[in-house]
Amino acid sequence: DTAVSQTPKYLVTQMGNDKSIKCEQNLGHDTMYWYKQDSKKFLKIMFSYNNKELIINETVPNRFSPKSPDKAHLNLHINSLELGDSAVYFCASSQAGTGVSYGYTFGSGTRLTVV
Amino acid sequence: AQTVTQSQPEMSVQEAETVTLSCTYDTSESDYYLFWYKQPPSRQMILVIRQEAYKQQNATENRFSVNFQKAAKSFSLKISDSQLGDAAMYFCAYRSVGGNKLVFGAGTILRVKS
Repeated sequence: DTAVSQTPKYLVTQMGNDKSIKCEQNLGHDTMYWYKQDSKKFLKIMFSYNNKELIINETVPNRFSPKSPDKAHLNLHINSLELGDSAVYFCASSQAGTGVSYGYTFGSGTRLTVV
Repeated sequence: AQTVTQSQPEMSVQEAETVTLSCTYDTSESDYYLFWYKQPPSRQMILVIRQEAYKQQNATENRFSVNFQKAAKSFSLKISDSQLGDAAMYFCAYRSVGGNKLVFGAGTILRVKS
């Protein structure tokens, strides 16, 4: 069983389109995240949800909207895609409290290419 | 805000040899967690080793060990008996005790020569 699963793994789309990336974790973790890895491999947090509540919202364009229907799912919707949105998007989860020292568990990433 | 610096963009090591990857960080907190993640070409992020700042003993996981120097804010990763499968991008990361955000360094590409 995959602990943190993201779909799709690859996404190629045209500028101006709207797309979604889905993430699900079966670890029972309380907190989920979206990270963006750019072309230079730099990882930067975008959003974090704890038990469906948004707790981190970094400086991200309004075209990006996360949604967490329950604590096991965190989806990312992107409107009006731009060339600069091309990147790898990682979903991750972690357990609050005593599990903090265990870091994150990452999904396998979604490579988004905007053409 | 905390920052993590990896000053080596790229490193090479001969198979079976030992290599050390450097990481420094900046924080005003006294308690925190540090991590090394490995990202092979498959792009999966894999936790290699973690260290709690309140523990003086350096963490060890098989061939991987760290040299944690709290006063110097340094957290280097030593890979012993390097294997071809160790070739990957390695990221150092920091997390506050009460925080939710994992802050990453820019990464170091490790190449292993046969």
